[in-house]
Amino acid sequence: AQSVTQLGSHVSVSEGALVLLRCNYSSSVPPYLFWYVQYPNQGLQLLLKYTSAATLVKGINGFEAEFKKSETSFHLTKPSAHMSDAAEYFCAVSEGFQKLVFGTGTRLLVSP
Amino acid sequence: SAVISQKPSRDICQRGTSLTIQCQVDSQVTMMFWYRQQPGQSLTLIATANQGSEATYESGFVIDKFPISRPNLTFSTLTVSNMSPEDSSIYLCSGGGTSGYNEQFFGPGTRLTVL
Repeated sequence: AQSVTQLGSHVSVSEGALVLLRCNYSSSVPPYLFWYVQYPNQGLQLLLKYTSAATLVKGINGFEAEFKKSETSFHLTKPSAHMSDAAEYFCAVSEGFQKLVFGTGTRLLVSP
Repeated sequence: SAVISQKPSRDICQRGTSLTIQCQVDSQVTMMFWYRQQPGQSLTLIATANQGSEATYESGFVIDKFPISRPNLTFSTLTVSNMSPEDSSIYLCSGGGTSGYNEQFFGPGTRLTVL
């Protein structure tokens, strides 16, 4: 079965600093991978997805993620954090039959 | 992408009662899913709602407790039956199957509190 591990339940950065949220996956087949963001009291919004077309994936709001097969990783980055980036971020892997398996989430805190 | 709405956005219910949550998609989607998200936690899949057939439930979830309807390709309902305080949670629906990459688009969620 496929699984996702997100290291760090909380990540704190200063405004303008680099954002790095870690995601490692386990899959026996080439995976589809996703990053979603959840703002307080809202549903999940798709940030970006990896579909094997390119290993560096650019998403919305300046985020990007790099698929590294050798490290089974799909870490999310943003060069410069903004206060509005404060939210919960979920990494997910597709398990087949269209189902997604989610990681435990990482709460990003951005301080002025 | 698909835009998904849910009703109600939140509710406070008494134990022993039932609540039906509606999920509406602005375009046809092959697959619809229902998730539960307990406070501060990740999403747990309850079931996959298929149009024209019974929903497929994940381990730990049963049809008697969480009956689901999917009458067409843009609408689904989830009922939380005979509620207890342990059912207090956020319930999210999503739609997918519009691309070949298994992405899903989520509704805003229904925040349920059971007293």
